[in-house]
Amino acid sequence: AQTVTQSQPEMSVQEAETVTLSCTYDTSESDYYLFWYKQPPSRQMILVIRQEAYKQQNATENRFSVNFQKAAKSFSLKISDSQLGDAAMYFCAYRSVSSNTGKLIFGQGTTLQVKP
Amino acid sequence: DGGITQSPKYLFRKEGQNVTLSCEQNLNHDAMYWYRQDPGQGLRLIYYSQIVNDFQKGDIAEGYSVSREKKESFPLTVTSAQKNPTAFYLCASSPFVNSYEQYFGPGTRLTVT
Repeated sequence: AQTVTQSQPEMSVQEAETVTLSCTYDTSESDYYLFWYKQPPSRQMILVIRQEAYKQQNATENRFSVNFQKAAKSFSLKISDSQLGDAAMYFCAYRSVSSNTGKLIFGQGTTLQVKP
Repeated sequence: DGGITQSPKYLFRKEGQNVTLSCEQNLNHDAMYWYRQDPGQGLRLIYYSQIVNDFQKGDIAEGYSVSREKKESFPLTVTSAQKNPTAFYLCASSPFVNSYEQYFGPGTRLTVT
């Protein structure tokens, strides 16, 4: 069974600085998707970024980028130029391409604090 | 506006009562999901539905039931058999079950005392 682990329950960053959130996963599959979701205090889950496992190039969305290391089964999220609005809980998630359920498997989450 | 609505935002019930959480989407999505979120844990899948009149159990279906009589609606009933029902419940949808992206509703916080 696939698992996702986020080993940092809490992180903090100074406004305008860069922070990296860690995520590791375990799977025997070769084709899958990885995601980072943001859950602000409103608790609405928002997709931040997506990575397809077959793509070697790391995904980037404005200030958000990932470091995808397939062999190491690592998928970290880098937030550049951190803003106060980035304060939230961040979840790493895995989805099998071959899954007939569409199920997302989530890590435990990392709470990010942004200090002004 | 297109999206997913969940109501109510906060729900309080006495132990032993069944309670139904609403989830409606106007995105014309085929697939819908229910997740449960507990403190310090990620979301866990309760039930999912690929199409109208069909639904399947997820990882933690015990004590829950669902129906999918209409494409836009996927209500979740938390029964008295659910041992620890207090949690935050999130509904999600995707265009079809193999879509890589799921869109989430705002969630319902259920407190059972």
